[in-house]
Amino acid sequence: AQKITQTQPGMFVQEKEAVTLDCTYDTSDPSYGLFWYKQPSSGEMIFLIYQGSYDQQNATEGRYSLNFQKARKSANLVISASQLGDSAMYFCAMREDTNAGKSTFGDGTTLTVKP
Amino acid sequence: DTGVSQNPRHKITKRGQNVTFRCDPISEHNRLYWYRQTLGQGPEFLTYFQNEAQLEKSRLLSDRFSAERPKGSFSTLEIQRTEQGDSAMYLCASSHGHGGNEQFFGPGTRLTVL
Repeated sequence: AQKITQTQPGMFVQEKEAVTLDCTYDTSDPSYGLFWYKQPSSGEMIFLIYQGSYDQQNATEGRYSLNFQKARKSANLVISASQLGDSAMYFCAMREDTNAGKSTFGDGTTLTVKP
Repeated sequence: DTGVSQNPRHKITKRGQNVTFRCDPISEHNRLYWYRQTLGQGPEFLTYFQNEAQLEKSRLLSDRFSAERPKGSFSTLEIQRTEQGDSAMYLCASSHGHGGNEQFFGPGTRLTVL
């Protein structure tokens, strides 16, 4: 069964600094996708970045990058140059390609950016 | 606005009543998903559709829950005989298909069962 673990309930970062949000996953499927979403206090889930299990390079999207370590089954999100607007809940999610309809989410990490 | 929309945004009901939520996905998306999110937790998968076919249902979806997508466009989620434990945010998402295609989420419907 697929499982996502986010061990950091809350994180603080100083504005303009980088921060890493941890995510580990468990799956027996060789083909899967990993996603990160941001959920501000308004409640809407916003897609940030995607990493496929067969992708050779780590995914990057602007200030977001995904540190994918397949052997360790980790998919950490790195946010560079943090901004006050980055304060939100962040969710890691996985979808197995053999079970392509269902995404499993972690319990999230609350990030607070300090001015 | 071409995003995913959900109605109503908030619903307060008494225990035992039936409620129905609607989701309108992004028009060209053939997949539609329903999730439930409680406070402090990540979204939990409930069910998904490819076009009008309901391809998977979670064991979380008891027989009081039913979802439809009759014409492969909008979807409804009905909860019969609501219980206080049904209080949650119900999220709808849509995507082109599987694999790398991300799911786009709607704003959610917050249900409160008194």
